[in-house]
Amino acid sequence: QKEVEQDPGPLSVPEGAIVSLNCTYSNSAFQYFMWYRQYSRKGPELLMYTYSSGNKEDGRFTAQVDKSSKYISLFIRDSQPSDSATYLCAMTTSNAGGTSYGKLTFGQGTILTVHP
Amino acid sequence: DTAVSQTPKYLVTQMGNDKSIKCEQNLGHDTMYWYKQDSKKFLKIMFSYNNKELIINETVPNRFSPKSPDKAHLNLHINSLELGDSAVYFCASSQEWGYGYTFGSGTRLTVV
Repeated sequence: QKEVEQDPGPLSVPEGAIVSLNCTYSNSAFQYFMWYRQYSRKGPELLMYTYSSGNKEDGRFTAQVDKSSKYISLFIRDSQPSDSATYLCAMTTSNAGGTSYGKLTFGQGTILTVHP
Repeated sequence: DTAVSQTPKYLVTQMGNDKSIKCEQNLGHDTMYWYKQDSKKFLKIMFSYNNKELIINETVPNRFSPKSPDKAHLNLHINSLELGDSAVYFCASSQEWGYGYTFGSGTRLTVV
């Protein structure tokens, strides 16, 4: 079983829809949670970053972390065709300076298409 | 100004060859990484360096050898290339531990 599970999709929605993307994880030591967006043939770019449980909002994007359920979500409101990309969740522990220094564990990524 | 740049972008080579990928970052970050992304888009860490010191060395065949001449550069040398090495290799850097990375645009390696 992978440490981080993410449904690869693909997910296809009409423009303007609310998109919900999710990841579950098994390692309770994960403390920092991120969402990356990756366009085709490009490197991942950081979208959202949260520490521990809670919500964070940035424009049309909202990230939620529920550590008790080991579940994180990304919501995209008023989705646009330009949001079409692969969305990757990633997480890391609080093991500062240890052998996992900076190591991100990624989900497989969900392919999202927003059609006009 | 590209923050994390990798060269080459594409690499097609025959089995058994040796090749190198270069990475440079101009962000002043202390930590650099190599990640491998397979055909199913799964990103997995290979190595990380903090201020030229090797920190993470995941279960990677010893045909892969990273080198960091200074904290702005991290190169990856691969000996005796195999078909299974075909993937996209991403370099990344970060300043604060635990914070998000800045990724390069990737090197697409195809071994034939």
